[in-house]
Amino acid sequence: LAKTTQPISMDSYEGQEVNITCSHNNIATNDYITWYQQFPSQGPRFIIQGYKTKVTNEVASLFIPADRKSSTLSLPRVSLSDTAVYYCLVGGARASGTYKYIFGTGTRLKVLA
Amino acid sequence: DVKVTQSSRYLVKRTGEKVFLECVQDMDHENMFWYRQDPGLGLRLIYFSYDVKMKEKGDIPEGYSVSREKKERFSLILESASTNQTSMYLCASSPTTSGNYEQFFGPGTRLTVL
Repeated sequence: LAKTTQPISMDSYEGQEVNITCSHNNIATNDYITWYQQFPSQGPRFIIQGYKTKVTNEVASLFIPADRKSSTLSLPRVSLSDTAVYYCLVGGARASGTYKYIFGTGTRLKVLA
Repeated sequence: DVKVTQSSRYLVKRTGEKVFLECVQDMDHENMFWYRQDPGLGLRLIYFSYDVKMKEKGDIPEGYSVSREKKERFSLILESASTNQTSMYLCASSPTTSGNYEQFFGPGTRLTVL
């Protein structure tokens, strides 16, 4: 059972790169790592997903080392609108045909002007 | 765009009442989920369903039940609401495409049990 751990909060300034790390020591072979962004009074919104190495899309990059026991979400040049809570989610299919998902407790990012 | 809707944004109920929270998705996803979200605890999985009439317990199923009679609809039931069930409830859906576990979330229902 993967348990995910994230820093509770982070502060950054506009224009800086922000890296948020998630620890998942017990990640299973079939598990993927997904990151979500959540604003107040809204449901989480997908940012990026990966299995290993590096994944990049138009808003973020995800770095996953070879042992997959951690992952780092990288947000380039953050703006005030990136102030939100960021969650990592570890999970995927199981041999039994079912699925297992564990959310981290979230990292509250505050971007300062 | 995938749309996941929840029946209410805010709900106030009294202790002991039976409460129904409904969730509907329009993308023909096989998997649907119910989470509760509490300050400092993040999102915790209550139940999920991977097919019609199929369900599996998540991490905190006690005090809850679910129903999935149609593919697009997943209901969370609080048989006898208690004050410790005051929380934000989030529904999500996802496809079963191998390697794609993106979950699409609804806006949430903030339930207050008095």
